[in-house]
This record gives sequence, structure tokens and C-alpha cells, in this order.
Amino acid sequence: AQSVSQHNHHVILSEAASLELGCNYSYGGTVNLFWYVQYPGQHLQLLLKYFSGDPLVKGIKGFEAEFIKSKFSFNLRKPSVQWSDTAEYFCAVKKGGKLIFGQGTELSVKP
Amino acid sequence: DAGVIQSPRHEVTEMGQEVTLRCKPISGHNSLFWYRQTMMRGLELLIYFNNNVPIDDSGMPEDRFSAKMPNASFSTLKIQPSEPRDSAVYFCASSLLSILASTSSYNEQFFGPGTRLTVL
Repeated sequence: AQSVSQHNHHVILSEAASLELGCNYSYGGTVNLFWYVQYPGQHLQLLLKYFSGDPLVKGIKGFEAEFIKSKFSFNLRKPSVQWSDTAEYFCAVKKGGKLIFGQGTELSVKP
Repeated sequence: DAGVIQSPRHEVTEMGQEVTLRCKPISGHNSLFWYRQTMMRGLELLIYFNNNVPIDDSGMPEDRFSAKMPNASFSTLKIQPSEPRDSAVYFCASSLLSILASTSSYNEQFFGPGTRLTVL
């Protein structure tokens, strides 16, 4: 079945460590890709999005993601995480008129 | 702009009762989405509307769930009768659907704060 996969369910890092969260999708053709973040007790907020052009997308709060079409991947990265990055991160693919979300990755950053 | 508004923020009810969740999308947006989030199943799309018309309701779990959008500024998600397994956080999101699919402003969804539903 077509899907969006986030392989890391829970990631624990110390402050200043580098972050990479994996996202793979199985949809063919043109896709629009998103990363959303959900801070504890809050709603989802958009971190970044890819529609076309430069496959390296920069988002808010120092996050970036790279679209690799041949690998069907859209991994999220940040060179140095902070305690305030503790949250759940969702990758999503827009197909048709709707977003298909991955299961989410919970990131815990230790101070 | 106040963003997407959902009410109530919390709802606790007994099994068998009717539950109605409400959503006010961002003014000017023409697409509205209802999601359910649980630990077990993650974030699931239940139904979405374009221009007040339901487009895809394949995510609606069963006939106990129904959603309406009587006008561009209001939508409801109703569960009747409610069951404990319906306990979840229900999010509403809205976006502006453009016929120009390549524009960068297309289809960013803005989420509301969610309604945390507990069915006892």
C-alpha cells in the first residue's frame, strides 16, 4: 500500500547534537512534501515544505530537509539541536487534495 | 488572523452520548480537513471539504461519524453514539486550494489547537 514511513519512532539526543529524521514515501509521480512539528500539548505547525526547485529546503528554527527523488526520501536535519526542539515531528506527502502523514517521530533533547 | 478555531478544547463524555466538535477555518480558506490523532494510529485524515463540499470521507471510521460544512466559516464533526475507542485528539485544519498547483502557497494546511475527547 502507498504510505509515508518514518522509521525512527523515538529519538533521544543531547543538546548540540546533530539531528537527522528519516522519511520515505511510496507515491509515484509529482509529490509535495512537508515536515510538521507538534510541541507538547500544542497543534501541528509547518516546519518546511518542498514543491519544486532546489531539493534542499530550509525551514524555520534552523531545520532543513533534502528531497532525494531516486530514494523517495525527504529527511529532516538540524546541525545542532536545542532542548526546545523536544517535540513530535511528522513527515507528510500531499497526494490529490489531502496530506498523508507518517506515524511521527518523537524527539527528546536532554539539556 | 485568529487562526483555526476549535471548540470545545476538551470534552469528557459517557459512552453512548452524542459528541459534536466544532471548527472555524481561517477566513478565506476554501478547504477544511478533520484529523484524528491517537497513540496507536498516529494522525489520520477523516474527511475533507473543498468549497463546503465533502470530497473524500474514506477515513471516516464508521456510520457513527458524520461531518458537515454548512458554510465556508463553520464545520462540525459528530459522533453518535460515542464509544471509548473514539477517545483521541481531533484536529481541524484549513488551507487555500489554488488551481495553480505549482504555486508555493498551495495547500499549506493550518491546524487548530485540537479537541481532546475522552469517552468513558
